[in-house]
Amino acid sequence: GDSVTQMEGPVTLSEEAFLTINCTYTATGYPSLFWYVQYPGEGLQLLLKATKADDKGSNKGFEATYRKETTSFHLEKGSVQVSDSAVYFCARLMNYGGSQGNLIFGKGTKLSVKP
Amino acid sequence: DSGVTQTPKHLITATGQRVTLRCSPRSGDLSVYWYQQSLDQGLQFLIQYYNGEERAKGNILERFSAQQFPDLHSELNLSSLELGDSALYFCASSFSGTGKDGYTFGSGTRLTVV
Repeated sequence: GDSVTQMEGPVTLSEEAFLTINCTYTATGYPSLFWYVQYPGEGLQLLLKATKADDKGSNKGFEATYRKETTSFHLEKGSVQVSDSAVYFCARLMNYGGSQGNLIFGKGTKLSVKP
Repeated sequence: DSGVTQTPKHLITATGQRVTLRCSPRSGDLSVYWYQQSLDQGLQFLIQYYNGEERAKGNILERFSAQQFPDLHSELNLSSLELGDSALYFCASSFSGTGKDGYTFGSGTRLTVV
């Protein structure tokens, strides 16, 4: 079935380190892809998105490229900050069937950045 | 503040009881989505409404129901509550029903069933 798989956390990095959080998906066709971030005690916030193959989404120094060949949408940041500590969720849009228009989320990856 | 308002923020109730969670979408948004977040299941889609009509259903139990009112606010009703229903319940909204631009989430209602 349709699914999103993220690397399991927690991920602990030092400030200014390079971040990669892997995300792969199964899909029929080419659904829109998203990264959401959840800070402690808050709801999810849209971080970035890509709507078609080879699109690159970017925001706040984070980037992710829609790779249809590898069905991946890995999240990267060149230099993380303590304020980036949060849980990151990869998601794909359902593009067919009774749940069309709804998001399927990965299980989330907790990132902790140490000073 | 995301613009999506959920009340109450916290709810503690006993097994077998019924509760109502409320969501006001961001101004101008027509679609409302409900999600359940638990440690073991992650984020699970429950149900979607668009401009007052049910648009899509996910893993929503028969004990749960929802509706969207003419002013576009939505309520999620949970009845015959079980311990396993303890979770964070999120509401999200979007202008269209396609979800292509992503959703705006509220800060959630934490339900504890004791």
